[in-house]
Amino acid sequence: AQSVTQLGSHVSVSEGALVLLRCNYSSSVPPYLFWYVQYPNQGLQLLLKYTTGATLVKGINGFEAEFKKSETSFHLTKPSAHMSDAAEYFCAVSSTGGNNRKLIWGLGTSLAVNP
Amino acid sequence: DGGITQSPKYLFRKEGQNVTLSCEQNLNHDAMYWYRQDPGQGLRLIYYSQIVNDFQKGDIAEGYSVSREKKESFPLTVTSAQKNPTAFYLCASTPLGSYNSPLHFGNGTRLTVT
Repeated sequence: AQSVTQLGSHVSVSEGALVLLRCNYSSSVPPYLFWYVQYPNQGLQLLLKYTTGATLVKGINGFEAEFKKSETSFHLTKPSAHMSDAAEYFCAVSSTGGNNRKLIWGLGTSLAVNP
Repeated sequence: DGGITQSPKYLFRKEGQNVTLSCEQNLNHDAMYWYRQDPGQGLRLIYYSQIVNDFQKGDIAEGYSVSREKKESFPLTVTSAQKNPTAFYLCASTPLGSYNSPLHFGNGTRLTVT
């Protein structure tokens, strides 16, 4: 069965510091991987996705993630944190096979950015 | 602009009452989903529908019901059988049959049952 693990339910960084949010997955087939962001009392918004091809994926708001098959990881990074990056971040993997499309979600990482 | 509208944003009900959450989309997406979000538990799938007049149970369907009479609408009813209904409910949609298409989300409905 597929699963997603986000290491660290809460991450705190200083403004201007590197952001690193970790995501590991398990999948018996090549996965499609997603990072979503959620601001308080709002829905989720896609940050970036990996399907096939280039393993370094760039997304919105300066975020990027690298698919590492050997490590089964898809960590999210941003070189310099901004106060507006404070939010909840979710990693998800898409199951394949058949006509049912179902995302497997991580439990989320809450990012705090300190001035 | 196209999008998903969930209403109301906040909903309060007494225990034992059924309540219906609205979800409307104008993205012309075939598939629609309902998720429940609780603190520290991520998103859990309640129901999904890939086509009008058809829907499937997700991981936590007990105590919930849905209908899909129109492509653009996918209302969720939280029944009195749901033991712990207080939560944040998210509706989402996506084009059918594409595993790499992202979900488009509404802004959610926060339901409080006392």
